[in-house]
Amino acid sequence: AQSVTQLDSQVPVFEEAPVELRCNYSSSVSVYLFWYVQYPNQGLQLLLKYLSGSTLVKGINGFEAEFNKSQTSFHLRKPSVHISDTAEYFCAVSAAGNKLTFGGGTRVLVKP
Amino acid sequence: EAGVAQSPRYKIIEKRQSVAFWCNPISGHATLYWYQQILGQGPKLLIQFQNNGVVDDSQLPKDRFSAERLKGVDSTLKIQPAKLEDSAVYLCASSRTSGTDEAFFGQGTRLTVV
Repeated sequence: AQSVTQLDSQVPVFEEAPVELRCNYSSSVSVYLFWYVQYPNQGLQLLLKYLSGSTLVKGINGFEAEFNKSQTSFHLRKPSVHISDTAEYFCAVSAAGNKLTFGGGTRVLVKP
Repeated sequence: EAGVAQSPRYKIIEKRQSVAFWCNPISGHATLYWYQQILGQGPKLLIQFQNNGVVDDSQLPKDRFSAERLKGVDSTLKIQPAKLEDSAVYLCASSRTSGTDEAFFGQGTRLTVV
């Protein structure tokens, strides 16, 4: 069985400061990893994904994530956040190309 | 390209009543998912279809929930009878295939059971 743990339920951050959202997963087989963002009253939107190859993945809106197999982590980072980055962020894993399992989410609140 | 369409957007029902949600995936997408998102939690997969066959329904409460995907395109999710704990947002998503392809999500149906 696969599972995803997002270690922080809420992350307050000041505008233009960096942010890191932590994600750890467990799976007995190889995985594909995703980060989705959910803006208020909207559906989920893909930020980035790791399938294979380079462990540093760049996504939309200046976000990037690094896959670390030994630590089973896929942390999301942005060097400088904007007010518009206020949203909920979900890490997700698909093991052996099957069902997409989500973590509990991290709510990011960007303060001016 | 049109996105994933869901209806209705909002629904309020009394407990023990029945309710149905509809989803129209992106054209050509073979995989369709239904997720339940309870307030403050991540989406939980209820059922996954590949074309019109069920791939995974291990977390679907089959005594009250049912889902079908007609001709491998549109899908409906039904709850009968509803319980208070079914209050949640029900998300439909589709992808070209399962696993590696991006899943595109609809805006969801917010269900309130009173």
